[in-house]
Amino acid sequence: AQSVAQPEDQVNVAEGNPLTVKCTYSVSGNPYLFWYVQYPNRGLQFLLKYITGDNLVKGSYGFEAEFNKSQTSFHLKKPSALVSDSALYFCAVRDGMTTDSWGKLQFGAGTQVVVTP
Amino acid sequence: GAVVSQHPSWVICKSGTSVKIECRSLDFQATTMFWYRQFPKQSLMLMATSNEGSKATYEQGVEKDKFLINHASLTLSTLTVTSAHPEDSSFYICSAPRAGRQNEQFFGPGTRLTVL
Repeated sequence: AQSVAQPEDQVNVAEGNPLTVKCTYSVSGNPYLFWYVQYPNRGLQFLLKYITGDNLVKGSYGFEAEFNKSQTSFHLKKPSALVSDSALYFCAVRDGMTTDSWGKLQFGAGTQVVVTP
Repeated sequence: GAVVSQHPSWVICKSGTSVKIECRSLDFQATTMFWYRQFPKQSLMLMATSNEGSKATYEQGVEKDKFLINHASLTLSTLTVTSAHPEDSSFYICSAPRAGRQNEQFFGPGTRLTVL
């Protein structure tokens, strides 16, 4: 079984300040971790993923995330937030040990990010 | 990047009618597609896995007779909500993994269904 927790329903940050969106996960095998962003009435846009390799992953739009195996976390970060970063962010995990080549993504509940000017 | 489209983007229908939602992979072939449902300000819940040329695999609690899925070609999967009721009102999103990039799913823009 796999699960994802995003402990914060909403994160408020002033433009120019660092942004962090938290995510913790649970899988029985190797975790494949993803971050997606969703704007109102739109589908999900891929930001970044961790499969293997360096724990620090860099993605789109200046976002990065750090995989921490001991803490089973994959927090999303951006050094300097923009008003346009205001959106709904989802963390997702799949079990890398699954025999299904595509796998199923388990999504977190989502975190609303609000960046104020 | 890979593009997945959905049609219609929004639909309003009367209770008891059926609604068909299309999901297309525009620039790649997808033997597998996923259908998700999302309630307002909530996460995506996987409904079913659509398999080209074979039956869809439904998640526990999803009525297969109510949510009919057909994956007739490598670029098209359809979700038909039969005898729709107001509680079926939701945002339906499809996704497709791309061969060679199977660790990445490409999502459609979603379809907003409102059942009156």
